Amino acid sequence: AQKITQTQPGMFVQEKEAVTLDCTYDTSDQSYGLFWYKQPSSGEMIFLIYQGSYDEQNATEGRYSLNFQKARKSANLVISASQLGDSAMYFCAMREGRDGGSQGNLIFGKGTKLSVKP
Amino acid sequence: GAVVSQHPSWVICKSGTSVKIECRSLDFQATTMFWYRQFPKQSLMLMATSNEGSKATYEQGVEKDKFLINHASLTLSTLTVTSAHPEDSSFYICSAPVGTGNSGANVLTFGAGSRLTVL
Repeated sequence: AQKITQTQPGMFVQEKEAVTLDCTYDTSDQSYGLFWYKQPSSGEMIFLIYQGSYDEQNATEGRYSLNFQKARKSANLVISASQLGDSAMYFCAMREGRDGGSQGNLIFGKGTKLSVKP
Repeated sequence: GAVVSQHPSWVICKSGTSVKIECRSLDFQATTMFWYRQFPKQSLMLMATSNEGSKATYEQGVEKDKFLINHASLTLSTLTVTSAHPEDSSFYICSAPVGTGNSGANVLTFGAGSRLTVL
């Protein structure tokens, strides 16, 4: 079974509008961390936002927010006021671990390609 | 902020030759480095974990004799693709955990990646 599921291969959004990228995860651990990365066409992986499984509040970083619904095992990324430069691949990732998901490698979803239209 | 410098950014080589990819941590020490591989339009798959001063741990299905990983110092990890073949053509990207201070999580900071094409 997939650990991280991103069901949207591609998404379009109008410039200045908000967009939600879906991510669901599967783990039996109580402690884990959820991450979102952006990968432009250049290939670099850019960290966007992190949510710990014990964090009670949804994480926010500027125009990025993470809609964390623990019972549903979902960690959707919301990008507000989309910009043309937001066009990229977006990967949801998870780290499991007895140490609260603070160490170790990440397991990535298949990604969502976001295209921002002018 | 913490930067991982990865070189070369792209390389083209003939089948049968070996290619070395270097990842250096700038301004921080990386006791651990993760090496990922990404095929076109696919996700990142972990190949191996390197730890400074010890042998790398390879994921199931990754040939350790083909993908040689060396982590000789706290700032340098290398991946050597030996006797490369066209099926090894891929995007290789390294990453090191860096603390963010946010809930104690270590964020993976990635190098810019190396695009390997084997002819």
